Amino acid sequence: AQSVAQPEDQVNVAEGNPLTVKCTYSVSGNPYLFWYVQYPNRGLQFLLKYITGDNLVKGSYGFEAEFNKSQTSFHLKKPSALVSDSALYFCAVRGEGSSNTGKLIFGQGTTLQVKP
Amino acid sequence: ETGVTQTPRHLVMGMTNKKSLKCEQHLGHNAMYWYKQSAKKPLELMFVYSLEERVENNSVPSRFSPECPNSSHLFLHLHTLQPEDSALYLCASSQEAPPSTDTQYFGPGTRLTVL
Repeated sequence: AQSVAQPEDQVNVAEGNPLTVKCTYSVSGNPYLFWYVQYPNRGLQFLLKYITGDNLVKGSYGFEAEFNKSQTSFHLKKPSALVSDSALYFCAVRGEGSSNTGKLIFGQGTTLQVKP
Repeated sequence: ETGVTQTPRHLVMGMTNKKSLKCEQHLGHNAMYWYKQSAKKPLELMFVYSLEERVENNSVPSRFSPECPNSSHLFLHLHTLQPEDSALYLCASSQEAPPSTDTQYFGPGTRLTVL
């Protein structure tokens, strides 16, 4: 069965410091991994995705994520956090192959709080 | 957010009411989705449509009834809901339905409160 875990309910970081939001996954076959961000009273906005290729994926707003197959992780990172990055972040995964339904499975979300 | 729009943005209804949520996508996509987002819970996929045909019904109670008249519009008809159905209902679209790896793009959601 597919699953995704975001082990931290909340991450606090000072503005200008690097940030990491963690995500681990479990799928059969190769994983397809996504990060979304949700601002208050808004829908989810796509940040980046990993399908294949380079393990370091660059996305919108200066975010990037590193796919680590051995650790089954896909952590979201940004070198220098902004107060405006404060939001709810979702990791999502789908596995390839006929054993998977093709559904995108979302984590529970991690609230990022960036303080001035 | 102009790619996928949802109306209304907020809805309060009684348990005996009938209402509908509307979603429209302006991206030329072929697949559309309904998700339910409840507090402290992961997003729950409810329905998937591909080229106006339902391809996924994720064990959703019959009081939720989807309709996809064309590839740009998706409705969620609601009747005799329960208070636990109060949530943010999100619509999304993608170029192709799963098992493609196409990115899903979300609307702003409808905040539903059932009294």
